[in-house]
Amino acid sequence: EAGVTQFPSHSVIEKGQTVTLRCDPISGHDNLYWYRRVMGKEIKFLLHFVKESKQDESGMPNNRFLAERTGGTYSTLKVQPAELEDSGVYFCASSHMQTQYFGPGTRLLVL
Amino acid sequence: GQQVMQIPQYQHVQEGEDFTTYCNSSTTLSNIQWYKQRPGGHPVFLIQLVKSGEVKKQKRLTFQFGEAKKNSSLHITATQTTDVGTYFCAGKNDYKLSFGAGTTVTVRA
Repeated sequence: EAGVTQFPSHSVIEKGQTVTLRCDPISGHDNLYWYRRVMGKEIKFLLHFVKESKQDESGMPNNRFLAERTGGTYSTLKVQPAELEDSGVYFCASSHMQTQYFGPGTRLLVL
Repeated sequence: GQQVMQIPQYQHVQEGEDFTTYCNSSTTLSNIQWYKQRPGGHPVFLIQLVKSGEVKKQKRLTFQFGEAKKNSSLHITATQTTDVGTYFCAGKNDYKLSFGAGTTVTVRA
């Protein structure tokens, strides 16, 4: 069974540019989560989808971040315009029941 | 909001020794999960504790959930070089996981 995949693995952009991260969950997992880890700090919850609906987006930092999950399959997280403090590792996780399975993450660096 | 504190942040261990990492939540949890992230990798689920006072073992790893369901610990005996990485606890209320900052473990041979 394929795990959670994320694309790209790394992204280096300039402040003010736009970046879109993609997550493909494990097939059949209705729950999809986005997290972010800034260097050396805790993994912070961003939002949670159940199928195509946003169940909880309380962790989204501000309106420069937009997450979508069209059709309840893969999800995208767009940052527009990117700021320096957006740098970090963005993890996606999916679950069917309790256990969340994490993807490899996208390492984002904003210069 | 819910906060999960984890100590120590760093743990440098002599191979063969034991160590413990601790996790405390500001609120009562429905369950607590532990993850391990190897250097350059992603968090991998280790275990989930649900019941008050629960203790679970995985080979050299012993996980405990406090009686009040607000704290947890991970104890590793006879540390090996394969134990290097960052261990995260994550407290769960409803569907949301709140992660601790992690304990990063290094091992000297």
